[in-house]
Amino acid sequence: DTEVTQTPKHLVMGMTNKKSLKCEQHMGHRAMYWYKQKAKKPPELMFVYSYEKLSINESVPSRFSPECPNSSLLNLHLHALQPEDSALYLCASSSFVGGAVETQYFGPGTRLLVL
Amino acid sequence: AQKVTQAQTEISVVEKEDVTLDCVYETRDTTYYLFWYKQPPSGELVFLIRRNSFDEQNEISGRYSWNFQKSTSSFNFTITASQVVDSAVYFCALSALGDSWGKFQFGAGTQVVVTP
Repeated sequence: DTEVTQTPKHLVMGMTNKKSLKCEQHMGHRAMYWYKQKAKKPPELMFVYSYEKLSINESVPSRFSPECPNSSLLNLHLHALQPEDSALYLCASSSFVGGAVETQYFGPGTRLLVL
Repeated sequence: AQKVTQAQTEISVVEKEDVTLDCVYETRDTTYYLFWYKQPPSGELVFLIRRNSFDEQNEISGRYSWNFQKSTSSFNFTITASQVVDSAVYFCALSALGDSWGKFQFGAGTQVVVTP
């Protein structure tokens, strides 16, 4: 059983909606990640929180807004999305070892459809 | 810059055949980690193995085995006696000491289709 949980599993939203994706990890990790994955492609990193400090992939549009309330919770706020944002959104967590990343453990993902 | 190449886009086998997935990586760092993940149709990325750059021992776990060769920068994965449940996309990934903010470099993935 995964120790990284994500809600909701599926989400359909209009382009004017505001919604949030939620992620929780129970492994005591201090790094959490959001990825976007389109069909038949590898995951693309969007955001990293490491010790609650945010690092951003500069190519991610501002309609995606991450939030890390504490070291075990991670949210992704969605606003005014476009149909091309439809994808699988994956959350992951890991520890850090000497600067290089340890194993990332992924949640089951949220399948997002933007109409 | 780091790079991971999975040249095989899709491999189709009949159940009980062996299948080998290739992974070739590039990095200038001397300390790095290599990973394999499985992504079944449900979507979750399942961790299979991690290897660090100082440990070239091959590993076997049940029907899975991994061959790490620094001389050829390869980290290949073999499924022995494949089963239908092995049908999934498999990703090889690299994380190096020099990478910023914990970035994984994923390969493009290899779709494995196992038919009965």
